Amino acid sequence: QQQVKQSPQSLIVQKGGISIINCAYENTAFDYFPWYQQFPGKGPALLIAIRPDVSEKKEGRFTISFNKSAKQFSLHIMDSQPGDSATYFCAASGYSGGGADGLTFGKGTHLIIQP
Amino acid sequence: DAGVIQSPRHEVTEMGQEVTLRCKPISGHDYLFWYRQTMMRGLELLIYFNNNVPIDDSGMPEDRFSAKMPNASFSTLKIQPSEPRDSAVYFCASRAGTGGPGELFFGEGSRLTVL
Repeated sequence: QQQVKQSPQSLIVQKGGISIINCAYENTAFDYFPWYQQFPGKGPALLIAIRPDVSEKKEGRFTISFNKSAKQFSLHIMDSQPGDSATYFCAASGYSGGGADGLTFGKGTHLIIQP
Repeated sequence: DAGVIQSPRHEVTEMGQEVTLRCKPISGHDYLFWYRQTMMRGLELLIYFNNNVPIDDSGMPEDRFSAKMPNASFSTLKIQPSEPRDSAVYFCASRAGTGGPGELFFGEGSRLTVL
């Protein structure tokens, strides 16, 4: 059972454009929603995170939008740059499969920013 | 801080051989997680420890897999005997007890190939 569904699987955006990645979750016990960024040959690294008591969080060019009623959240990358090319994972934490302290990850989105 | 350190970075072995992956978490972190990454299944949580004690191993695929954390600065993930379907990148991650859920720091991974 996939508890965090992520789309699209891959995305190509022109430099300067907006990249949008979407995630949906099923378990209402989830209470923490981070996004991780992974470059080839490296481990995932925390990019930005949100809790369900706010609808939006912005850090620089990265924004998370959160819709609690729809059980959806998304990552927006403004003014996308070639250096943003990476794989992005949404995740959720709560009392799901991996235990209270584990993270459940989406399948990832391979983002390519074309110069 | 040096970050989470994993070894070996690459391991190629033959089916039936024993494989041991090693992890040194960030000093002072109370939680240690083992994840497996494949194209098909994405990032899967295998097991995690809190203060060196295994809390949830429900993600361990089968009895061929075992993990230990003999002290706060060292953990191992062992596969015996290994099979080709075990080929994947194995990540270790740690977080502080006060860091809140989801704020994981990942190592660079151990890429395992079982022939």
